[in-house]
Amino acid sequence: AQRVTQPEKLLSVFKGAPVELKCNYSYSGSPELFWYVQYSRQRLQLLLRHISRESIKGFTADLNKGETSFHLKKPFAQEEDSAMYYCALSGEYGNKLVFGAGTILRVKS
Amino acid sequence: DTEVTQTPKHLVMGMTNKKSLKCEQHMGHRAMYWYKQKAKKPPELMFVYSYEKLSINESVPSRFSPECPNSSLLNLHLHALQPEDSALYLCASSQGTGYGALTEAFFGQGTRLTVV
Repeated sequence: AQRVTQPEKLLSVFKGAPVELKCNYSYSGSPELFWYVQYSRQRLQLLLRHISRESIKGFTADLNKGETSFHLKKPFAQEEDSAMYYCALSGEYGNKLVFGAGTILRVKS
Repeated sequence: DTEVTQTPKHLVMGMTNKKSLKCEQHMGHRAMYWYKQKAKKPPELMFVYSYEKLSINESVPSRFSPECPNSSLLNLHLHALQPEDSALYLCASSQGTGYGALTEAFFGQGTRLTVV
């Protein structure tokens, strides 16, 4: 079974502070991991996927298979980063995206 | 066109009504999905269509009936719903399925359904 755990419901940081949104997963095969973001009144959209290893809007995430984690990091938070962030996992067949419970990121000025 | 379009945006229906939700994409994607999202909860997968064939049904009650008339369209037919079915229904599409393929899912804005 696929399972994604995001332990924090809310993460509140000051502008310019580092951000780390935690994500742990459980899957017996080879997972594909994603971070999706939902800004206020906007649709859910892809932020990052582990397979492409890119940095988007200053965010990065590294897949750690030993710790079964895919934490999202940004060195300096900006107010416009405030949103709901979902970690998601797709299994080997790539047709079933399972979401974690989500973490609300609030960046205070 | 990189959008997934859902209609209607809002729907109120009685428990004896029959209604349909529609989803359309013109990105040439061959996989389409229905998700249900309750307030302050993550999206939960309901159905997956791959190449216009139903590939996954996550044990969804039969009062929800999906249909994929062609590769661009996905419908969700609703009948005899309960108030607890009130939620945001999201449609998504992806280029394909399979590990390493372009499995990025594009989501629509959703249909906010209220069952009275």
